[in-house]
Amino acid sequence: DADVTQTPRNRITKTGKRIMLECSQTKGHDRMYWYRQDPGLGLRLIYYSFDVKDINKGEISDGYSVSRQAQAKFSLSLESAIPNQTALYFCATSARGDAKYFGPGTRLLVL
Amino acid sequence: GQQLNQSPQSMFIQEGEDVSMNCTSSSIFNTWLWYKQDPGEGPVLLIALYKAGELTSNGRLTAQFGITRKDSFLNISASIPSDVGIYFCAGRGSSNTGKLIFGQGTTLQVKP
Repeated sequence: DADVTQTPRNRITKTGKRIMLECSQTKGHDRMYWYRQDPGLGLRLIYYSFDVKDINKGEISDGYSVSRQAQAKFSLSLESAIPNQTALYFCATSARGDAKYFGPGTRLLVL
Repeated sequence: GQQLNQSPQSMFIQEGEDVSMNCTSSSIFNTWLWYKQDPGEGPVLLIALYKAGELTSNGRLTAQFGITRKDSFLNISASIPSDVGIYFCAGRGSSNTGKLIFGQGTTLQVKP
């Protein structure tokens, strides 16, 4: 089984809808992250959490919110989706070091 | 803020050729990481570098942490078709927040 899983893997939604992307990990890591990938822009950090009670904004947090329900679960919500949030979203985990382990990604299309 | 410039953006090479790509930053980094992303998958860590001048290999891959601490290089020797993918560098500066900055990626295509 994969160490980091994301659901759904693909999602199509309409402008204005609220959606949630979920991430679960079995690596036992305290730290979890949400990244967004756009062509030619690499990966940009949306939010990160160092433990269940710690949530921090990344470089592009506007329009997003997160919830750390447990050590193993970290969900990302788009409160009111807009077309420029169409992207590939990755969840990642890490121990205290820098190396991060990524999930398989969620491809989101906002119409 | 800190920025990373990764080059080249894309490469199209013949199987068996060696490949080089690099990343430069506008400020000093304490950590350099190299990832590979296969189509439809998440990035997978290839090599991690933690000291200036460090040279680390992983099979046919070799990466170096530049002496100036502002750059890193990844070399792939004797490329094969499964090397196809997007290669990302990532670095962390002097803060201890664990936030990585990613390069824009190098897309590698290998012709059999």
